[in-house]
Order: sequence, then C-alpha cells, then structure tokens
Amino acid sequence: EPEVTQTPSHQVTQMGQEVILRCVPISNHLYFYWYRQILGQKVEFLVSFYNNEISEKSEIFDDQFSVERPDGSNFTLKIRSTKLEDSAMYFCASSKGQALEAFFGQGTRLTVV
Amino acid sequence: TQLLEQSPQFLSIQEGENLTVYCNSSSVFSSLQWYRQEPGEGPVLLVTVVTGGEVKKLKRLTFQFGDARKDSSLHITAAQPGDTGLYLCAGLDSGGSNYKLTFGKGTLLTVNP
Repeated sequence: EPEVTQTPSHQVTQMGQEVILRCVPISNHLYFYWYRQILGQKVEFLVSFYNNEISEKSEIFDDQFSVERPDGSNFTLKIRSTKLEDSAMYFCASSKGQALEAFFGQGTRLTVV
Repeated sequence: TQLLEQSPQFLSIQEGENLTVYCNSSSVFSSLQWYRQEPGEGPVLLVTVVTGGEVKKLKRLTFQFGDARKDSSLHITAAQPGDTGLYLCAGLDSGGSNYKLTFGKGTLLTVNP
C-alpha cells in the first residue's frame, strides 16, 4: 500500500543550526502538507503546497521556515536557525485533491538542544 | 479560529465494553476525518465523513457526522486491547481554505484485557 515516508525519523540539532526534513509523498498525490505536534499538544497545521507553490500557511510558518519540492518525488521543510521551541514531531502529509483525505507519514522527531 | 473539542480526554475501559467518543465544534466543516495515532507515530486515517447525518461503519467502529456538520462521534462496539490508542478528529475548513485540517486534542483510549 502506498505511504508517505519521512527521513530522518529522529534529528537532534544544536540551537541556531539549520535542519532539513525530508518527505516522499504518495506518488499520484498533488497536495502536500507539513504539520507539527509539540509533545502533549495538538497536531498543528504549518503549510500546504500545490503546483510548486505555497497554498496556505499558518502563523507558525514564519520566515524561519521554507518548503521546497526539489524534484519529482521529494518535499522538504527547512528550518533556519532552530530554536528550542521548534522541538516537536513534524509530520508530512499528502492528498490527491485539496478537499480529499490526507495521509500522514511516520514523522520526524526534531530535538533542538 | 476554528476549534474542535474532543471528549472525553481519557477513557479506560475493560475488553468487551462499548464506548463513544465525541468531537464538537461551533464551526461548520466541509468534512471531518478520524485518525488513530500510536505513540511516536503519525496519524493513521480511519474514515472521512462528508455529508451531514452520514454514518460510516468500519468493522466494530461506527462514525457519525452531525446533521449540521459541526460535530461527530465514534462508537466502538466490544472494544479490544488492540483498539488502544489516541483517536483524533480533524475538520476540513468549510468557509475558507480547503487546504488545512484543524485537529482536536484527541481521546486517549485504553482497553484493558
């Protein structure tokens, strides 16, 4: 069964460093998303991406964050100058259409020290 | 800001019991999705409900979408230890963007053998 895959599963980084989280969405899906979940809190929307551009972003997704689809399969989230409060699980998701079911990856646990 | 309130927050029952968990909002959603999440993993989609009043069954799980598309319930019949997990509801925005899901905090279900 097709699935969304994310790498790495766990990333530890020092405060101030840049990280890139990688995702391979389901191959025939057209809409891509990043969500995050701080420990013990809700899953929160960060950004959606369609047709090589951002469709919508939340107030969390400030200039520190960027997304890219560098080739036909990967979808990345870059966090510049990480802060302690960026520590969270980051989930990538994809869907066939904008109002259709979203399928989530296993997540990347980011720990900023 | 749309909010989804899930209740109860925690539920611990014995194997074989029935249970219902609820997802409520003051906002209308174009659709509502139920996910199950295991610790340290991504949400796994269970079902999507779209039409007000819709009922969907998935083996021992019954999902209902309220007539006004503001609330939903999940009923589990004869719960089993394998049903243990965090059950999340997530609404797709009706009035504005179709690009993001708003999640509830979830109901943590424990089914004891």
